[in-house]
Amino acid sequence: EAGVAQSPRYKIIEKRQSVAFWCNPISGHATLYWYQQILGQGPKLLIQFQNNGVVDDSQLPKDRFSAERLKGVDSTLKIQPAKLEDSAVYLCASSLWRAGENTEAFFGQGTRLTVV
Amino acid sequence: LAKTTQPISMDSYEGQEVNITCSHNNIATNDYITWYQQFPSQGPRFIIQGYKTKVTNEVASLFIPADRKSSTLSLPRVSLSDTAVYYCLVGDEEKGSQGNLIFGKGTKLSVKP
Repeated sequence: EAGVAQSPRYKIIEKRQSVAFWCNPISGHATLYWYQQILGQGPKLLIQFQNNGVVDDSQLPKDRFSAERLKGVDSTLKIQPAKLEDSAVYLCASSLWRAGENTEAFFGQGTRLTVV
Repeated sequence: LAKTTQPISMDSYEGQEVNITCSHNNIATNDYITWYQQFPSQGPRFIIQGYKTKVTNEVASLFIPADRKSSTLSLPRVSLSDTAVYYCLVGDEEKGSQGNLIFGKGTKLSVKP
């Protein structure tokens, strides 16, 4: 089956500019996650969607980051304006949802953002 | 939310069995234990998941004692290609299928020839 698709793979922007990342999860996966991974650290959960609803966005810097999943399928993550400390890999993951069960999450290859 | 503690790094040689232990003293009744592997420039990849006792698949085994306050990922006969960062996650199923998929710092495993 096709995996989680993310684009672009790389992006370089200047500070205070805006940027958007796109994610297309595996078909049929209701749960979608966005992570930020700074070099040398573990992935940090930014937001979790269940279909088109937000389950958890407690670690999303809402003054500059926003994410949407309007039709419950693909999703976009936006940063406006970007700061130098936003330089990181942004990972998208998706998984099935089955009540009372844990199912594995599948990750995309990520978008490497460099803010200069 | 249960917090996990793992060794920062481990070294091994090809052909050896590697055991990585994760502590999760505050694990809740509904929490599952899941391990992911991450290679450089790639997203994490699911390895194994368990709730109690022992789980084995074609890649690894997961040992969970009765009190569930820790778990051990066992990689049999590692090769150079097993060099990666390994993450232990603990979460419940209430927040979607994987629960709250929260990563810690992980264990960087280096396999030497």
